[in-house]
Amino acid sequence: GENVEQHPSTLSVQEGDSAVIKCTYSDSASNYFPWYKQELGKRPQLIIDIRSNVGEKKDQRIAVTLNKTAKHFSLHITETQPEDSAVYFCAASKQTGANNLFFGTGTRLTVIP
Amino acid sequence: GAVVSQHPSRVICKSGTSVKIECRSLDFQATTMFWYRQFPKKSLMLMATSNEGSKATYEQGVEKDKFLINHASLTLSTLTVTSAHPEDSSFYICSAETSNYGYTFGSGTRLTVV
Repeated sequence: GENVEQHPSTLSVQEGDSAVIKCTYSDSASNYFPWYKQELGKRPQLIIDIRSNVGEKKDQRIAVTLNKTAKHFSLHITETQPEDSAVYFCAASKQTGANNLFFGTGTRLTVIP
Repeated sequence: GAVVSQHPSRVICKSGTSVKIECRSLDFQATTMFWYRQFPKKSLMLMATSNEGSKATYEQGVEKDKFLINHASLTLSTLTVTSAHPEDSSFYICSAETSNYGYTFGSGTRLTVV
């Protein structure tokens, strides 16, 4: 099965700085990679996703890069704000059939005002 | 679109009793739903895959007799925690895969067994 590893587990940055979270996956058949933001006791919220046919995707201050050869993908948040503080999860899934998401272990991001 | 409604959001029950958690897809049909469990400060762990009209597929280590899953219609999946014990206290959350391969999550249920 798929194994998704995520680093770092905690990350503190000053407001305005950038934050980078990295994930690796093991199953080369995985081709859908979403990132979720989860606040305490709430449902995960999709913030950005990328499919294996592209290498990079950007949405305002958030970007994701994918290296299929190395089987790793990263989340980049620029100009961080205190409201970006949350736990972020990466995930991987296969496109065919009804496949569940395999989640990384999460990164607790703290943006210091 | 693609909203999953999960109830209850919080439940406290006594040891030995059973608790039912419901997940409904409000504006789409979900032939498959996934049930996750999340311990404090931990990641979401898949418990089972719920398939409409057939038996659920459980992950290794998940007791199917303890965590009963029913997916009787295209819009409703239920998870029943039977004979609950304090170690079953956790955050349970469902998700459904939508037609564009995106996943939408329920709001979660915090179960506390006392």
